[in-house]
Amino acid sequence: QVQLQESGPGLVKPSGTLSLTCGVSGDSISSSNWWSWVRQPPGKGLEWIGEVNHSGSTTYNPSLKSRVTMLVDKSKNQFSLILRSVTAADTAVYYCARARGYIYDWSQGTLVTVSS
Amino acid sequence: QSALTQPASVSGSPGQSITISCTGTSSDVGAYNYVSWYQQQPGKAPKVIIHDVTNRPSGISHRFSGSKSGNTASLTISGLQAEDEADYYCSSYTRSTTLVFGGGTRLTVL
Repeated sequence: QVQLQESGPGLVKPSGTLSLTCGVSGDSISSSNWWSWVRQPPGKGLEWIGEVNHSGSTTYNPSLKSRVTMLVDKSKNQFSLILRSVTAADTAVYYCARARGYIYDWSQGTLVTVSS
Repeated sequence: QSALTQPASVSGSPGQSITISCTGTSSDVGAYNYVSWYQQQPGKAPKVIIHDVTNRPSGISHRFSGSKSGNTASLTISGLQAEDEADYYCSSYTRSTTLVFGGGTRLTVL
């Protein structure tokens, strides 16, 4: 049973950078899965942010592509999300997930608030 | 990419069947058999209940079923139970190799 756990600041200042890491247990980051990020603004729907695989190949949501970077760290079996130039609209619960055509394992989610 | 279109809400009485639609385009829903459905209970992470249009993961009730016709996918829940009350989201793989979600549907069991 895979477990995914996010870590990172819960509060980020406007125009700053949001950085989250997702630790993976029960599977290797080097497996054939894709490692994804999804967010959900309070009271709203899900938005796919993008995904990264073990070799560092990435696919991003076109609406966020200019501000997003995703990385993998095989030595720590984890992957990360970097979102630059954040605004209040980036306030959301952020989920990391394991995917392969669809998302089949989700983390519990972490709320990140953008506020001064 | 535009979100897939779902009704904002549906409702049904216990024991009834309901269907939630998910409309996309020939670049996503209509392009591949990679439509999935997720159930999200309040305060919880989503959980996949259907993948690849019709497939149920292990442990998911047979009351949940999926289908697709052209650019529209559907989720049917038969024998509604109170525990089915939740938000439901569809998603689809796209020709741009991205994933897109629907806006979500709130199911109320009357």
